[in-house]
Amino acid sequence: KAGVTQTPRYLIKTRGQQVTLSCSPISGHRSVSWYQQTPGQGLQFLFEYFSETQRNKGNFPGRFSGRQFSNSRSEMNVSTLELGDSALYLCASRGGVQPGETQYFGPGTRLLVL
Amino acid sequence: DQQVKQNSPSLSVQEGRISILNCDYTNSMFDYFLWYKKYPAEGPTFLISISSIKDKNEDGRFTVFLNKSAKHLSLHIVPSQPGDSAVYFCAASRTGANNLFFGTGTRLTVIP
Repeated sequence: KAGVTQTPRYLIKTRGQQVTLSCSPISGHRSVSWYQQTPGQGLQFLFEYFSETQRNKGNFPGRFSGRQFSNSRSEMNVSTLELGDSALYLCASRGGVQPGETQYFGPGTRLLVL
Repeated sequence: DQQVKQNSPSLSVQEGRISILNCDYTNSMFDYFLWYKKYPAEGPTFLISISSIKDKNEDGRFTVFLNKSAKHLSLHIVPSQPGDSAVYFCAASRTGANNLFFGTGTRLTVIP
């Protein structure tokens, strides 16, 4: 099976712009989660989608939003970019939402905000 | 508020010796713990996990120990190999939330 894919891999934006990141889960996986990784903060949970519905949301401002399509692909949007949004954004997929189900991560999208 | 902590940002170990990576957590509701390994330019890869009903789980060279009273878990790699050099993340989850809470990672370097 192909793994989780994320596009684009690298992105440079300026403050105030918006950005959309895309994630294609492993075939058959219906749950997609997004994480932000910054130096010194580890990975921080943004949100999780399952069957096109947001199930869970982390402690991020409303500028961060997402959605999931009927084919389980997911997009994440960040509006009014700030310098502090520079980070590696990781997407992870799993088959269901039972505790302990392994999450499989994509390679990430590295966003630089200037 | 960092609920999962990895207090050692880096660790160096000689090839063939034991690597011990440590992780502490503050939320007593966590009931499932995982270790992920991350190479540069790749996403984290699942390594091993443990449920809170157990105190040890072993998979080949990797063993995870859980001490619930101390809210502490550790990953032992024996014997360490140069290919184990990576950043290791500890993660935790709790029933009903399912999202993972990650530590800040420990960079392991195995010296040949």
